[in-house]
Amino acid sequence: EQLVESGGGLVQPGGSLKLSCRASRFTFTSYWMTWVRQAPGKGLEWLANIRQDGTEQYYADSVKGRFTVSRDNAENSVYLHMDNLRADDTALYYCARNGWYHDLWGQGTLVTVSS
Amino acid sequence: EIVLTQSPGTLSLSPGERAALSCRSSRSVGTYLAWYQHKPGQSPRLLIYDISHRAAGIPGRFSGSGSGTDFTLTISSLEPEDFAIYYCQERSNWPSFTFGPGTRVDIK
Repeated sequence: EQLVESGGGLVQPGGSLKLSCRASRFTFTSYWMTWVRQAPGKGLEWLANIRQDGTEQYYADSVKGRFTVSRDNAENSVYLHMDNLRADDTALYYCARNGWYHDLWGQGTLVTVSS
Repeated sequence: EIVLTQSPGTLSLSPGERAALSCRSSRSVGTYLAWYQHKPGQSPRLLIYDISHRAAGIPGRFSGSGSGTDFTLTISSLEPEDFAIYYCQERSNWPSFTFGPGTRVDIK
C-alpha cells in the first residue's frame, strides 16, 4: 500500500499549482481521500476530502474557494489544484487515505510560494 | 468549529519513563478522537483511533483514554523511537477534520 505525491515546487504569489497523488496496492475506489499540509514550524492542517466517486468535496475554511480537490479513479490518483497562492500556503503537502481516519500517508511534496 | 488544545506543548522525559499527553476539545467529540505520531522527515502515523483503539502494528505501550472533551495518550515506557510530535485529531463533523497543535516529546 503506497501513496506518492508529486507536483510541488516554487510558485509566485498569486500563481497556481496542481499536486498529484498516486495510489497503489490497495483498492483506491473504496476510500475517501484527504489532503493535509504542514507549514514550516507549524502543525498539521487538514485541507480537503473527496468522496470515493468524486461527487462530494469538503474544504477547510483557509483554502475554500482557492483549492479544488479532484480524483481520477481510472488512474488511482487524487489531485489538489491550488489557485491564488499566498506566502502562507508554503508547506509540505501530504495526501492520505481516509478510512474514517488517515491510516496511510504519502511522503509529501513541498510547495514554496515566494517571489 | 471545534478547537483542540494539547498540553503540555513540550514534554521532556527519559527513555523508560511514562508519558501522558492531554488533548481537550472545545465541545464533545463523542468517540471520534485519534492520535498521530510525526517524526521529522517522515510521514505522520496513525496510532490510536476512536479514543482507545490501536491502529494496525502499533505497539501495546501506546494507549488512549478519555471521553467527551478530555482525552489522554499514554506511552507506558518510552522507547528511543518514541521521541516525536504527537497530534490529536477529531472527526465529529466528518468528513471535516481538526488537528490539535501537537505535543513534542523530547529526550531529557
